[in-house]
Amino acid sequence: EDQVTQSPEALRLQEGESSSLNCSYTVSGLRGLFWYRQDPGKGPEFLFTLYSAGEEKEKERLKATLTKKESFLHITAPKPEDSATYLCAVQAPVNTDKLIFGTGTRLQVFP
Amino acid sequence: EAGVTQFPSHSVIEKGQTVTLRCDPISGHDNLYWYRRVMGKEIKFLLHFVKESKQDESGMPNNRFLAERTGGTYSTLKVQPAELEDSGVYFCASSQDLGGARGNTIYFGEGSWLTVV
Repeated sequence: EDQVTQSPEALRLQEGESSSLNCSYTVSGLRGLFWYRQDPGKGPEFLFTLYSAGEEKEKERLKATLTKKESFLHITAPKPEDSATYLCAVQAPVNTDKLIFGTGTRLQVFP
Repeated sequence: EAGVTQFPSHSVIEKGQTVTLRCDPISGHDNLYWYRRVMGKEIKFLLHFVKESKQDESGMPNNRFLAERTGGTYSTLKVQPAELEDSGVYFCASSQDLGGARGNTIYFGEGSWLTVV
């Protein structure tokens, strides 16, 4: 069964303290791995898509990497405005674009 | 360019009543999806439209839920009759169909928060 597990569930960081979020996945064949950011009361906001092992993408203080079993979202020198829930989702090679989500990592960055 | 828009943003109804949620996808997006997040759980897929056709409705929980997309533009999701366990946030999303083996990027709306009392 296709599955996504994110860790940790919650993470508290001091401003400037770099860290990484983990997304482990089990899928029959990966079409894409997605990272989203979600603020309270809002919908998921698209960040990155990764398609194959070894791929990396960056956006401001965020960098996403992908292996055959997991993805990491690295946050370098975070700021309080980076506080949000970060969601990971995978697409499997079936005839729809269905996303399978993890439960997310709730990140809090304190000044 | 407008994103995915959903209406209403919040709804409180009594058990047994009917609620209809509406979604307008990003202009030009043929793919439209409905997802749901219930309290404490992950976001889960409900169904996928390609234009006006249902491509995959494997996530629809039961026959109290009816989704339509007439004309391949906006979509509605009706819950009738609503039960307590239907409470949660319903997200609509859309994507372009770029073809190929790679997954299409899926953009989400702000969600419709449903409370059944």
